[in-house]
Amino acid sequence: DVKVTQSSRYLVKRTGEKVFLECVQDMDHENMFWYRQDPGLGLRLIYFSYDVKMKEKGDIPEGYSVSREKKERFSLILESASTNQTSMYLCASTLGSYEQYFGPGTRLTVT
Amino acid sequence: KQEVTQIPAALSVPEGENLVLNCSFTDSAIYNLQWFRQDPGKGLTSLLLIQSSQREQTSGRLNASLDKSSGRSTLYIAASQPGDSATYLCAVLPGGYNKLIFGAGTRLAVHP
Repeated sequence: DVKVTQSSRYLVKRTGEKVFLECVQDMDHENMFWYRQDPGLGLRLIYFSYDVKMKEKGDIPEGYSVSREKKERFSLILESASTNQTSMYLCASTLGSYEQYFGPGTRLTVT
Repeated sequence: KQEVTQIPAALSVPEGENLVLNCSFTDSAIYNLQWFRQDPGKGLTSLLLIQSSQREQTSGRLNASLDKSSGRSTLYIAASQPGDSATYLCAVLPGGYNKLIFGAGTRLAVHP
């Protein structure tokens, strides 16, 4: 079974802090994704990566950056957290154009 | 621009009913379509993946169909149970892209 894990289920940070969200998959998937999910707005793609050190902006990249130094690990970075980044963050991975697998999510609260 | 719509937005049924969730998409040039389940506060669980060349996929009490030409997919749940209560999302992978386009979901409640 594919496993996608995220470093934290719940996270509380202060405005202005630098925040790291980590995602690890164990199936050698080439593509990895970061989404945020908000009530009424659905799932929105922040960034994705199709290979090590490769990244592409999604629909809402502003205020975020990403890092993929190893194939299995994809990190989302909030350089200076703001209250409007309070959200549920979901990581996913896929091999080519096949089934997309999601992690359990990280609920981030910025106060 | 590809858009995905799910109807109804919410559904409440008694246990034991067979039910159908609908998903429509505006551009028929898709590579595949995927149905997910999401429990409150959790991540998405993949239920079924239908490739563009397929008409349907089945897993246990779930059956998903795809009619690419009309831009529609349905998820059929047989003999619903309270444990089926969740939000169901469909997503399409447009041809030539590797980013899924999601619908807003159908929130299902199955009461005993």
